Amino acid sequence: DSGVTQTPKHLITATGQRVTLRCSPRSGDLSVYWYQQSLDQGLQFLIHYYNGEERAKGNILERFSAQQFPDLHSELNLSSLELGDSALYFCASSVGGNGRDTQYFGPGTRLTVL
Amino acid sequence: AQSVTQLDSQVPVFEEAPVELRCNYSSSVSVYLFWYVQYPNQGLQLLLKYLSGSTLVKGINGFEAEFNKSQTSFHLRKPSVHISDTAEYFCAVTRGNQGGKLIFGQGTELSVKP
Repeated sequence: DSGVTQTPKHLITATGQRVTLRCSPRSGDLSVYWYQQSLDQGLQFLIHYYNGEERAKGNILERFSAQQFPDLHSELNLSSLELGDSALYFCASSVGGNGRDTQYFGPGTRLTVL
Repeated sequence: AQSVTQLDSQVPVFEEAPVELRCNYSSSVSVYLFWYVQYPNQGLQLLLKYLSGSTLVKGINGFEAEFNKSQTSFHLRKPSVHISDTAEYFCAVTRGNQGGKLIFGQGTELSVKP
């Protein structure tokens, strides 16, 4: 158990809908990262928050947004869903926000868009 | 742009045999290097990382990796594998000035047979 929790574990929804994925980092970690894992794209970095502020963005679609709240949990919002958004979404957390820090991954949320 | 190449998508091996999973990276600047393991239906777990210093890095579960700057490689090795090592292995890099953004390789599926 990494100490990072993600809810829900599974999500099945229809095209055009909006969903929210939730992540709670390990106690004491200030950084939260979101990654998408799909068969065709592999593991892709989406976005990084550190202590409530956005630090870096990857190839995150405009339909996707995220935020980190004062209690440090984070939410990833996906809207106008398309079939191609079906993937495993991971959240990771680390103590700091630099490249040396170990990132601890949650179990993921499997999103299926029908 | 920096990229990570895992040279083998699948590696089948018999139990108690040695194994090497290959990883090459491209970057014009210094990077930090990581190996993660993903067991079926689970999140990613850090095996080991290279930040600086000794080029031979020892990790969990008997794995080790060697950083070779001239060949831009970071191959993962284990002298004797177990059935329980069956999993997907990911090589990843970060750059210090890009925060914690992890760039992953495509993964290597290690299959250990009795």
